Amino acid sequence: QQPVQSPQAVILREGEDAVINCSSSKALYSVHWYRQKHGEAPVFLMILLKGGEQKGHEKISASFNEKKQQSSLYLTASQLSYSGTYFCGSRFQGAQKLVFGQGTRLTINP
Amino acid sequence: SAVISQKPSRDICQRGTSLTIQCQVDSQVTMMFWYRQQPGQSLTLIATANQGSEATYESGFVIDKFPISRPNLTFSTLTVSNMSPEDSSIYLCSVVIGTGNTEAFFGQGTRLTVV
Repeated sequence: QQPVQSPQAVILREGEDAVINCSSSKALYSVHWYRQKHGEAPVFLMILLKGGEQKGHEKISASFNEKKQQSSLYLTASQLSYSGTYFCGSRFQGAQKLVFGQGTRLTINP
Repeated sequence: SAVISQKPSRDICQRGTSLTIQCQVDSQVTMMFWYRQQPGQSLTLIATANQGSEATYESGFVIDKFPISRPNLTFSTLTVSNMSPEDSSIYLCSVVIGTGNTEAFFGQGTRLTVV
């Protein structure tokens, strides 16, 4: 049931773009994206709902493809503050619990 | 939003002993969860803490090893029992407010080292 994220790690220069993917073998009710910096708690970024609703946060946006059971997180013109590990969390119909992917470590260099 | 206070923030324990981790929320919440995160790894759900009833455990986790209490809508505890070095990890409390498809909030975590 654990969603699969790709890539596992990304290294960018400040200002570059990145895409992080999250796919599930089980039908998703919603996908949640979180960012965690070293030694800190995960911080909520956005929720993607069934129906393909897309919600953005500053220069970070995401999409949800129900047909493919896949979500993608888009980081545009990355900033140093975007560094951290990104997790997608899957929520299935009838359940409030979140099942997280293995994470994608993003490093932004000046 | 929710402010979560988790205690202790870290501890070093002897194998064979038990540690109880507390999670206090500043508002009443519908759902409370306990996760484990090993260094550099993902968050693995241990159990859902149900108010007034037994917790619901995920596959691979059992009540005897991780007893959970949730006496009210703002507080929960997780006990790691009969610890071994394999239990060394970060334990995180998480809450969801309301019943809709809403975000989860996380405590700062408890970093546990078993020696």
